[in-house]
Amino acid sequence: EDQVTQSPEALRLQEGESSSLNCSYTVSGLRGLFWYRQDPGKGPEFLFTLYSAGEEKEKERLKATLTKKESFLHITAPKPEDSATYLCAVQAISSGSARQLTFGSGTQLTVLP
Amino acid sequence: GAGVSQSPSNKVTEKGKDVELRCDPISGHTALYWYRQSLGQGLEFLIYFQGNSAPDKSGLPSDRFSAERTGGSVSTLTIQRTQQEDSAVYLCASSGAYEQYFGPGTRLTVT
Repeated sequence: EDQVTQSPEALRLQEGESSSLNCSYTVSGLRGLFWYRQDPGKGPEFLFTLYSAGEEKEKERLKATLTKKESFLHITAPKPEDSATYLCAVQAISSGSARQLTFGSGTQLTVLP
Repeated sequence: GAGVSQSPSNKVTEKGKDVELRCDPISGHTALYWYRQSLGQGLEFLIYFQGNSAPDKSGLPSDRFSAERTGGSVSTLTIQRTQQEDSAVYLCASSGAYEQYFGPGTRLTVT
């Protein structure tokens, strides 16, 4: 069974204090790993897709990396507007043509001014 | 361009009543997904549509749940005889390739 574990559950940072969020996964064959951002009362907003170990992607203050067992979302010099819940999800080869996502429970990030 | 839209944004219903939730995917996206997000549970896959193919219903929690997609576009998720444990946010996503783009969700409260 595919599993995704995110840590920490919650993280409070001061503005400008860089940190990393972790996503550990167990999947029979990885088709892709996805990062989403979710604000309260809204649907998840797509951030990144990573397909193979060693791959990295960047967007503004965010950088996502992937190994064979985990992914990290690095946040550099965060601002209060980066406060949100960050979700990690995997798409397994075993999901076949459906390609449904298996999500972790998220990391709730709060950036204090 | 327009994103995924869902209606209603909120729905309060009495236990035992039927509800219908609607999803309008991004134009041109052939794949459509329904997920459920419960407090403390994370997002859970429910059902998947791809074009005119038969849907993958493997995530539906019971036979009270059903969904249809008309004309390869708009989808409706129906929950019959609602129970309190059905209270959750129901999210729809559409995809043209690998990435799934989510709508704002429908918050369902069963009293």
